[in-house]
Amino acid sequence: AQRVTQPEKLLSVFKGAPVELKCNYSYSGSPELFWYVQYSRQRLQLLLRHISRESIKGFTADLNKGETSFHLKKPFAQEEDSAMYYCALRGSQGNLIFGKGTKLSVKP
Amino acid sequence: EAGVTQFPSHSVIEKGQTVTLRCDPISGHDNLYWYRRVMGKEIKFLLHFVKESKQDESGMPNNRFLAERTGGTYSTLKVQPAELEDSGVYFCASSQGDRGPGYTFGSGTRLTVV
Repeated sequence: AQRVTQPEKLLSVFKGAPVELKCNYSYSGSPELFWYVQYSRQRLQLLLRHISRESIKGFTADLNKGETSFHLKKPFAQEEDSAMYYCALRGSQGNLIFGKGTKLSVKP
Repeated sequence: EAGVTQFPSHSVIEKGQTVTLRCDPISGHDNLYWYRRVMGKEIKFLLHFVKESKQDESGMPNNRFLAERTGGTYSTLKVQPAELEDSGVYFCASSQGDRGPGYTFGSGTRLTVV
């Protein structure tokens, strides 16, 4: 089965604290994983993808095939990071399979 | 470049009525996708067009949903007749290739069936 699990519905941290949004996947074969973000009143947008191995807005995510995880991390959260975050897996047909999303709230 | 445009942004209709959602992809993007998020659930794939052809419609929930992409440009998604469980946010996305870096999403249409 192809599935993405985001165990936390809501994650609340204080500004400056580290943040980790969890994502686990189920996929046979080489997965292609993404993180999408939706800020308040904005459209869903690509944050990063694992094959780029890049850091966007201070966020990084490492694919761990052994643990089938693709957790999103940032060492020091900012208030403007508050948003809904979706982990997604590209399915065998090319479409995206999303997790339920995690709402990140960064408090001042 | 102009982004993916969806309209209407909101639609409130009564159960049994018909609603048509429209998506204008980024010019030149052959791939167009429809997704939806029902309240409390994950964003789910509905279907995928390559130009005017339906590449994959495995996510369409039932035959009350009809999607078209005449001429390979904009796409419409019609729900007829609408049911209460159809309420949610319908997203459209487009990409140049089907294995590209990721999609560009529209702002979504929030459909409420009462």
